Amino acid sequence: GNSVTQMEGPVTLSEEAFLTINCTYTATGYPSLFWYVQYPGEGLQLLLKATKADDKGSNKGFEATYRKETTSFHLEKGSVQVSDSAVYFCALRNYGGATNKLIFGTGTLLAVQP
Amino acid sequence: EPEVTQTPSHQVTQMGQEVILRCVPISNHLYFYWYRQILGQKVEFLVSFYNNEISEKSEIFDDQFSVERPDGSNFTLKIRSTKLEDSAMYFCASQTEGDYGYTFGSGTRLTVV
Repeated sequence: GNSVTQMEGPVTLSEEAFLTINCTYTATGYPSLFWYVQYPGEGLQLLLKATKADDKGSNKGFEATYRKETTSFHLEKGSVQVSDSAVYFCALRNYGGATNKLIFGTGTLLAVQP
Repeated sequence: EPEVTQTPSHQVTQMGQEVILRCVPISNHLYFYWYRQILGQKVEFLVSFYNNEISEKSEIFDDQFSVERPDGSNFTLKIRSTKLEDSAMYFCASQTEGDYGYTFGSGTRLTVV
């Protein structure tokens, strides 16, 4: 079946530190991969996406590369800010069947300290 | 920027009561979804809705749940007889044709007591 595994949090970093949040997936077919972010008290916002192998999604300084050989989609940012504190969700959508549903990981809480 | 609006933001209900969660999707979107997140757990798919009918539902979406798009703008999730384990954050989302991502609402926190 389809599933997403992401590293457990919380991840606590100092401002300007390098961030990596690991995400690996299991899927049949050819999934699209996503990172969503949930700021405190808000809904889920699409942060970035990649639709095929070797694609790199990027937004707001965050990047993730779709690695088919390692079934991974790790989220990175070179220099985090306090305003990046949020919960980050890795997700996939598999176009192998007639479904548009997203399958989410458990979420990783990022806390950035000044 | 267009938004998906959910009301109420927080609802407290007694076990066994019916509850209706409301969502106003983005107006030109065609696909509609409900997801839920039990506190501390993953976000789980409940149901998708297209062309005025359910296109897919999960095992969670049993006979106690129903969805409706009564007037072409609202999209509702009804839970007929709430249980304690229905306490969760419920997210509505909508999507347009050919779009890879959804737009999610900010969620309704349902607390069953």
